Amino acid sequence: GQQLNQSPQSMFIQEGEDVSMNCTSSSIFNTWLWYKQDPGEGPVLLIALYKAGELTSNGRLTAQFGTTRKDSFLNISASIPSDVGIYFCAGQRPVGFGNEKLTFGTGTRLTIIP
Amino acid sequence: SQTIHQWPATLVQPVGSPLSLECTVEGTSNPNLYWYRQAAGRGLQLLFYSVGIGQISSEVPQNLSASRPQDRQFILSSKKLLLSDSGFYLCAWTQDRVGQPQHFGDGTRLSIL
Repeated sequence: GQQLNQSPQSMFIQEGEDVSMNCTSSSIFNTWLWYKQDPGEGPVLLIALYKAGELTSNGRLTAQFGTTRKDSFLNISASIPSDVGIYFCAGQRPVGFGNEKLTFGTGTRLTIIP
Repeated sequence: SQTIHQWPATLVQPVGSPLSLECTVEGTSNPNLYWYRQAAGRGLQLLFYSVGIGQISSEVPQNLSASRPQDRQFILSSKKLLLSDSGFYLCAWTQDRVGQPQHFGDGTRLSIL
């Protein structure tokens, strides 16, 4: 199935550094979501964005819904060890009958170098 | 608050055996429910979704089926498992309102021998 273009695929950073990742699509979405997944667990919702141009923060995380509705970015400031994991973007659009469908990005694996 | 439960957490099955994975949601009514499969280190592939009891939509042809016998229960099944059915299976739910994000369970790791 379709996947969003997410970059970078992986990042190796030192603790305390800032992180930036983004997602692009050829299609418009009504909602952009960012999830974090730890090994062996389900994705956990970090931030949800509902309007084009919206900038939303959740602690050290900041995400923006692109003005074209075809892209989004996620920034993490002052990274800490528990930020390690795989980050997924997801675009959501209605598909009728009260249902909405998610299209996921390919994921960004974040590793913190000691 | 709403919670989602999946079980079992891990499962090892021989090829050709049947499968039943269960997902239940608590603290909400009439949720939309979803089954995904995730290959190692990859994104999620939507398998089935349901907007109500007995209503199942399939996204991809495959060896699996889904059922929703109760409002907050979603079951993923197979009559005869294939090696290619191995993977990490995730259930998710949303509230029955436009624009609500999906929330995921902790998944089931299925290994076929």
